[in-house]
Amino acid sequence: DAGITQSPRHKVTETGTPVTLRCHQTENHRYMYWYRQDPGHGLRLIHYSYGVKDTDKGEVSDGYSVSRSKTEDFLLTLESATSSQTSVYFCAIREDRGGDLNYGYTFGSGTRLTVV
Amino acid sequence: RKEVEQDPGPFNVPEGATVAFNCTYSNSASQSFFWYRQDCRKEPKLLMSVYSSGNEDGRFTAQLNRASQYISLLIRDSKLSDSATYLCVVTLGGKLIFGQGTELSVKP
Repeated sequence: DAGITQSPRHKVTETGTPVTLRCHQTENHRYMYWYRQDPGHGLRLIHYSYGVKDTDKGEVSDGYSVSRSKTEDFLLTLESATSSQTSVYFCAIREDRGGDLNYGYTFGSGTRLTVV
Repeated sequence: RKEVEQDPGPFNVPEGATVAFNCTYSNSASQSFFWYRQDCRKEPKLLMSVYSSGNEDGRFTAQLNRASQYISLLIRDSKLSDSATYLCVVTLGGKLIFGQGTELSVKP
């Protein structure tokens, strides 16, 4: 199984403060993703990365930025947290299994963020 | 219209029942298809990939109909441990797109 860890696992922060969530992988996979999960919405893509310093926006990227300065780390930053960003955040990696379109996707354990 | 739509839940079934989940996707360029399982407050985990030829893994059978843009999951002889939320997932342009999930509760 791919080694993927998220930190912190839980965080409570105040409105207006910056928050950074970290996703770390141990196997040099090229693609990494950040999703948020909210009741009634399922998992929605925030940002993703296809290599060091290569990132792109997902469907709910407003209010979030990301950075990938090393293959193993993908950081998600809320520049000024708002209550609407209270959510569960999942990181994922894409594992290439050989062959055309033969990929597997593995998720981290999630970060529960509460903005008060 | 959502890109991936699933049956609304929850499904409440007795042990031993057969239950079917349905899913449709809107973009015909979708490339790969999966069913994920998510237990309460945990991360999604891959249940099975879905292929046009259909595939089976024990009590689980998945089908894909590209012409109808339809994906299904059949669980036979359901167990208490099958209780979870089942997520229909497609890939498009290197990104995973999720349905909202269907909750299954298997009762004794």
